[in-house]
Amino acid sequence: GENVEQHPSTLSVQEGDSAVIKCTYSDSASNYFPWYKQELGKRPQLIIDIRSNVGEKKDQRIAVTLNKTAKHFSLHITETQPEDSAVYFCAASTGNYGQNFVFGPGTRLSVLP
Amino acid sequence: GAVVSQHPSWVICKSGTSVKIECRSLDFQATTMFWYRQFPKQSLMLMATSNEGSKATYEQGVEKDKFLINHASLTLSTLTVTSAHPEDSSFYICSALTGGFEKLFFGSGTQLSVL
Repeated sequence: GENVEQHPSTLSVQEGDSAVIKCTYSDSASNYFPWYKQELGKRPQLIIDIRSNVGEKKDQRIAVTLNKTAKHFSLHITETQPEDSAVYFCAASTGNYGQNFVFGPGTRLSVLP
Repeated sequence: GAVVSQHPSWVICKSGTSVKIECRSLDFQATTMFWYRQFPKQSLMLMATSNEGSKATYEQGVEKDKFLINHASLTLSTLTVTSAHPEDSSFYICSALTGGFEKLFFGSGTQLSVL
């Protein structure tokens, strides 16, 4: 089955700097890769996603890149702000009807003022 | 975006009692919903996949008789923790798949404390 690894497990950056979180997956059939942000005690929120027919997607300060050949995808946050502090989870799915999403173990991002 | 409602947000119960948690998709129909358990500072641990009109599929190690799942309609799935014990105390969270290009949205979670 699918296995998703995520690095780093914790990340501290200064406000205004960029943050990059990387994930790798094992199942070449996976074709949908969402990223979720979870603040303490709250639900994971979908912040950006990418499908395998696209190499990069950007939404304001966040972007995701996908390398299908290497089976890895990354989340990029630019001009980080204290409110970006949260746990970020990547996930992979084959997109088959009802297919479960396999989540990475998460990255705790701290943006220092 | 799609909205998933989960109730209650927190519950305290005595050991041996049962607790029911509801997960509703408010603005879309969800044939498939998932139930997770999340321990502090850890990732989401899938417990079971809930399919409307059929039996849930449980992950290895999850007791189906203890964690009863019912997905009776396209907008509602319930998780019942039966004969709860302190070790069942955890944050339980559901998610639902939208139709079409399937995206996954989460409920707000339920913090269960068993005394």
